[in-house]
Amino acid sequence: NAGVTQTPKFQVLKTGQSMTLQCAQDMNHEYMSWYRQDPGMGLRLIHYSVGAGITDQGEVPNGYNVSRSTTEDFPLRLLSAAPSQTSVYFCATIAGTDPYRQFFGPGTRLTVL
Amino acid sequence: AQSVTQLDSQVPVFEEAPVELRCNYSSSVSVYLFWYVQYPNQGLQLLLKYLSGSTLVESINGFEAEFNKSQTSFHLRKPSVHISDTAEYFCAVSDRFQGAQKLVFGQGTRLTINP
Repeated sequence: NAGVTQTPKFQVLKTGQSMTLQCAQDMNHEYMSWYRQDPGMGLRLIHYSVGAGITDQGEVPNGYNVSRSTTEDFPLRLLSAAPSQTSVYFCATIAGTDPYRQFFGPGTRLTVL
Repeated sequence: AQSVTQLDSQVPVFEEAPVELRCNYSSSVSVYLFWYVQYPNQGLQLLLKYLSGSTLVESINGFEAEFNKSQTSFHLRKPSVHISDTAEYFCAVSDRFQGAQKLVFGQGTRLTINP
């Protein structure tokens, strides 16, 4: 049971490039979400999904796209990266059996030049 | 909408000393409250939570937090810290209608333990 995995761990992009941050979980959790962590600002919710085929926006969705075709995967897409998207990105899930605990992945550190 | 303010960005303490990390929140609805801990180069882990009932909640590693509705606070305390408690601590809130799905986090408090 690997829990929540994120790839890559580190990434450097140039402004305007696109990329996808991967998040996978093997715990059969229905709820998955993406946060970004910036110094002095804590974590902010980007997008979330309550199950396959269902996604919704969080607090800071602009510049990011998501889709949820399977229960296991919840990729986050940056279509045209900007320096303001330099951040650490965390994927998190919630188990149906424990709806008050979020399980976080190890994070992806993204730098946009 | 909810918001969370952690009053200290950094807290240095000596090993075996007591510590309090302060958290205040604002919300127009009833809330759930959480403390998460982030050890270096790791993701966040749930430390403890307040859902209802007793206003004092405890973690398995000696931390406790008290929900104070009149002061809208949820401060985290430990009577004697260890080097291994060095981490960043985040207070978070969610409204009761959405469970823990849409958390609003504070800015974080970096706890540094000096020997």
